[in-house]
Amino acid sequence: EVQLLESGGGLAQPGGSLRLSCAASEFSFNAYALGWVRQAPGKGLELVSSISGDGAETLYADSVKGRFSIFRDNSKNTLYLRMDSLRVEDTAVYYCARGGPYYLDSWGQGTLVTVSA
Amino acid sequence: TVMTQSPATLSVSPGDRATLSCRASQRVGSSVAWYQQKPGQAPRLLIYGASTRATGIPARFSGSGSGTEFTLTISSLQPEDLAVYYCQQYNIWPRTFGQGTKVEIK
Repeated sequence: EVQLLESGGGLAQPGGSLRLSCAASEFSFNAYALGWVRQAPGKGLELVSSISGDGAETLYADSVKGRFSIFRDNSKNTLYLRMDSLRVEDTAVYYCARGGPYYLDSWGQGTLVTVSA
Repeated sequence: TVMTQSPATLSVSPGDRATLSCRASQRVGSSVAWYQQKPGQAPRLLIYGASTRATGIPARFSGSGSGTEFTLTISSLQPEDLAVYYCQQYNIWPRTFGQGTKVEIK
């Protein structure tokens, strides 16, 4: 069974930074594109970024472009999301998901990011 | 691409059919997926390619449509189907989700 385990969430101040990690197992990691999807409290889903299997291609939603960076370490089966210049509206549960820019066939349990002064 | 789901809330008796709709603001071919999110859980893929059930998904879930109009049907609602259902297009970046349809058990 595919396993995706996020970590790194927590409380950050506006303008601050966080780095999320997603440890993957039970599938051929470098064969799959991956993505980060967020869900603000009581709201819907937003795919904020995706990355190809080899890490060469990345995509970002306009809401995070220039502030967030997605990258992966295929030797460690780990996906990352570097979040800079955080805003209150970035507060959400962040899910790691397999499938990247296409349909998302496996999801982690999510990690909560709270941006507040 | 805006994905608009209707209705916002659907109340259905166990054993009855539930029909959920999703409309895309521009043509997305068959590049639509449906997800189920139960309270306190991560979303789960139900349908991709507008009509292909994901692995392990019961046959009572079916999807149809192409272009701009899509439908998710639950043929015989079970109590465990209480959830919010989201459609997503993956034809055009940025990928976008609908706002969700909450299915309640009557």
